[in-house]
Amino acid sequence: QSALTQPASVSGSPGQSITISCTGTTSDVGGFNYVSWYQQHPGKAPKLIIYDVKVRPSGVSARFSGSKSGNTASLTISALQADDEADYYCNSFTRSNTLIFGGGTKLTVL
Amino acid sequence: EVQLVESGGALVQPGGSLRLSCAVSGFTVSSHYLTWVRQAPGKGLEWVSTIYSGDVTNYADSVRGRFTISRDTSRNTLFLQMDSLRVDDTAVYYCARGADFDYWGQGTLVTVS
Repeated sequence: QSALTQPASVSGSPGQSITISCTGTTSDVGGFNYVSWYQQHPGKAPKLIIYDVKVRPSGVSARFSGSKSGNTASLTISALQADDEADYYCNSFTRSNTLIFGGGTKLTVL
Repeated sequence: EVQLVESGGALVQPGGSLRLSCAVSGFTVSSHYLTWVRQAPGKGLEWVSTIYSGDVTNYADSVRGRFTISRDTSRNTLFLQMDSLRVDDTAVYYCARGADFDYWGQGTLVTVS
C-alpha cells in the first residue's frame, strides 16, 4: 500500500499559521477517525501531537489542531514559532487492520 | 515514568538475522498494543508490525514472513525477530506504545550491508 500523500515541504513566518494536508482513500483516512500526527526534530524520535483526527495529548500546545474532510486530514499550526521547524507525519488505521504513514512534510520557519 | 529502550541494532550481512529488544518501564507490555516503526536513512516513517491484545499480530507486506513480533511479560520486553534481512531493511527501528504511539523509544540502528 502506498504512503498517504503529504506535501514535501511547507513554510511560514513566525506568528503565521500553516496547514499540512494528508490525503488517503476511503480504505484509510476517509474510512476511520483514527488519524494521528507526529512531529520529529532531526535526530530525535517522533512525538505524538494529534490523535483520533483532532485530539491533543496532554502537554501539547493548543496551537496544534487537526481536522478531516473526506479522504483528507489536515494539521494546522497557528502562531508559528522557531521550534516548530521539524518534519511532520500523518498516520492512519486502514481497512486491512494495518497502519500507514504519510511521506512526511518538512516545515521551515522563515 | 513511561520509558521504552530499544537495543540489538547492529551491522549484519544480507540474508542474516537479528533480534531487536524494547525494554519498557512505567507500564506492562501486556496492557497495551505495541508497535515497531522504522525509518531508513533520510526517509520517512514506515509501520512495520503491531502486537495486539491476545498476542494477535500484523505486519507490513514488506516484512511479512521474515519478521516476527513478540513480547515477554516476565521481562516486560517487546521483541522483533528479523530473518532473511535485505539491504532495504537498513533503518533506525523504533518501538512505540499504544494505538496512537503516545510514547516512543530512542531507536536502534540496523544496517544490512
